[in-house]
Order: sequence, then structure tokens, then C-alpha cells
Amino acid sequence: KQEVTQIPAALSVPEGENLVLNCSFTDSAIYNLQWFRQDPGKGLTSLLLIQSSQREQTSGRLNASLDKSSGRSTLYIAASQPGDSATYLCAVRGTSGTYKYIFGTGTRLKVLA
Amino acid sequence: GAVVSQHPSWVICKSGTSVKIECRSLDFQATTMFWYRQFPKQSLMLMATSNEGSKATYEQGVEKDKFLINHASLTLSTLTVTSAHPEDSSFYICSARESGAFTYEQYFGPGTRLTVT
Repeated sequence: KQEVTQIPAALSVPEGENLVLNCSFTDSAIYNLQWFRQDPGKGLTSLLLIQSSQREQTSGRLNASLDKSSGRSTLYIAASQPGDSATYLCAVRGTSGTYKYIFGTGTRLKVLA
Repeated sequence: GAVVSQHPSWVICKSGTSVKIECRSLDFQATTMFWYRQFPKQSLMLMATSNEGSKATYEQGVEKDKFLINHASLTLSTLTVTSAHPEDSSFYICSARESGAFTYEQYFGPGTRLTVT
């Protein structure tokens, strides 16, 4: 059974810092991995999707890497801003033929002005 | 871009009543939709997979008679919480996968906050 864990659970940093959020999964047989952002009381915003054959994806100040063999992904946020404050979720889709995602526990990020 | 809407965005109901939540794909057809539940400060947990024209597939531990799912068209899936209780209060989010698309990306709705009093 796939389990997805995110570390740290919460993070508070001053504005301008570069930071790394970690995601680990127990079953390396994944089809893809996706990073989401969720603001309090809101739905999900997809940030980056990495296919299993890819090593990384970049969008603006965000960079996500994937090491499938070790069951790890990292989300790198450069030059953090207060507007980046949110909960970040990673989710993996398995290769079992279904399309469902298993979500991680989330990292609550607060960027201080 | 692909947009998924949910209605209502929030709802308050009394214990024992039923409430229906709609999930619509606005600009694409979705053979498959997914329903997730999120308790406060917890992650999303998949409840069921909804397939157009067939019965939904429920995850282990989810009561199918309590959470009725109907996917009658390629753009609409509904989740009905029957005989709601306060412990059903949660944030419900749906997602949809575009029919026939080569990409396997799912598009998520904005969520519905259910409060049962």
C-alpha cells in the first residue's frame, strides 16, 4: 500500500530564503507525482507535475525533482515571499491502472515579511 | 485551461438530513471523477472513484450507502451525504480526468465545506 509522507510538517521562514520541501513515498512504482498548493479553506492549485520518466520540472521560482528509485521528491522554492504561505501537498499516482492519487500529509509554510 | 467547479462552495445542514454536492467539468468531458475528503489540518483522503454510466468504486472504510455517488453524464458527478452527522463535517474536493486525453493530469475543484450541526 502506497504511503506518502512530507517533511517538515510545518515551516516558518523569513522572506527571501530559499527552501526545500520533502516528499517521500514507499512504493517506487509510480506513474507521476504532482505538487499542489492549498490556501486555508480553499481547493488545490496544481504547481508542478513530474512524470515517472522525468527528473525535474521547473515553473518560475519553483523546481521539483523526482528520484523514483529512492522514493523521494523535493520542491525547491527560491526567494520565498509572504504570498507563498500556504500548505503544500505532494501526491503520487500509481501504475496499477487507476488514476487515483495518494496524497501526502502536507507541509504548512509560513513566510514572514 | 480545464476547469472543475463544485456547488455549493459551503453548506450547513442539520444532523439527520441529506446534502448533495455537485462536481462539474466546465470545458471538457470527464469519464472519471474522484471524490476526496479532507479533515481539518489533515491531507486529502480518496473516498471513491466515479465512472460515468457505472457504479462508483469506494475506498476501504467508506460507506457506500452513506456517501451516494452518481455520475450520470460526462460533465457531472454528484456526492450525496445521507443522514449526515457532525462527524461528516469536512471539506469535500472532487477532481476530474479528461476523457481520452493522453495526459493523466487531474483537475481539482475548489472544494465544498460541509458543516453538520
